[in-house]
Amino acid sequence: GNSVTQMEGPVTLSEEAFLTINCTYTATGYPSLFWYVQYPGEGLQLLLKATKADDKGSNKGFEATYRKETTSFHLEKGSVQVSDSAVYFCALPRNSGNTPLVFGKGTRLSVIA
Amino acid sequence: DAGVIQSPRHEVTEMGQEVTLRCKPISGHDYLFWYRQTMMRGLELLIYFNNNVPIDDSGMPEDRFSAKMPNASFSTLKIQPSEPRDSAVYFCASSTGQYQETQYFGPGTRLLVL
Repeated sequence: GNSVTQMEGPVTLSEEAFLTINCTYTATGYPSLFWYVQYPGEGLQLLLKATKADDKGSNKGFEATYRKETTSFHLEKGSVQVSDSAVYFCALPRNSGNTPLVFGKGTRLSVIA
Repeated sequence: DAGVIQSPRHEVTEMGQEVTLRCKPISGHDYLFWYRQTMMRGLELLIYFNNNVPIDDSGMPEDRFSAKMPNASFSTLKIQPSEPRDSAVYFCASSTGQYQETQYFGPGTRLLVL
């Protein structure tokens, strides 16, 4: 089945710093790719997604581009805020079709003022 | 829309007791997933249903775990008997039947088995 590798955390940044969280995947075909975010004490919620190669997903100032050449889907934000402190998960379907997602191990981001 | 609803939000029980976790998926969603999250193992899929039918339960840790979906708006995950190593956050998620559609997660049930 498909798999995802996500950079280990934790990541600590100062407010307004640039953020990159690396995610690479192994997959059959060209599955949709997802970034989820989990704020303290909450469930996971979709941050952004991309459904085909070269698509750019974006939301709340975060962006990620589906790169089939490098099998990557890195998450970026130009200027982080304290409120962005959370755990970020990269994910993709386990197999082709409408199957469960397989998640990376998560990257904990802490933003300090 | 109310989103995925889970209850209880927190559960503290003693080893050997039965625990039942509940989930109400988003109306109209055909898929329902149960996940478990721990520090050591991360997020693990336990079981998922399509149109109330269990499709894959290979992630259920052992026979002490069982899950049911008697109708499209309700599912339960039961642990009997519970053990301290079952302590975790249990999430329910749902999605539509569309191809590789987004999964929507509930707030989770934080289970502590003493």
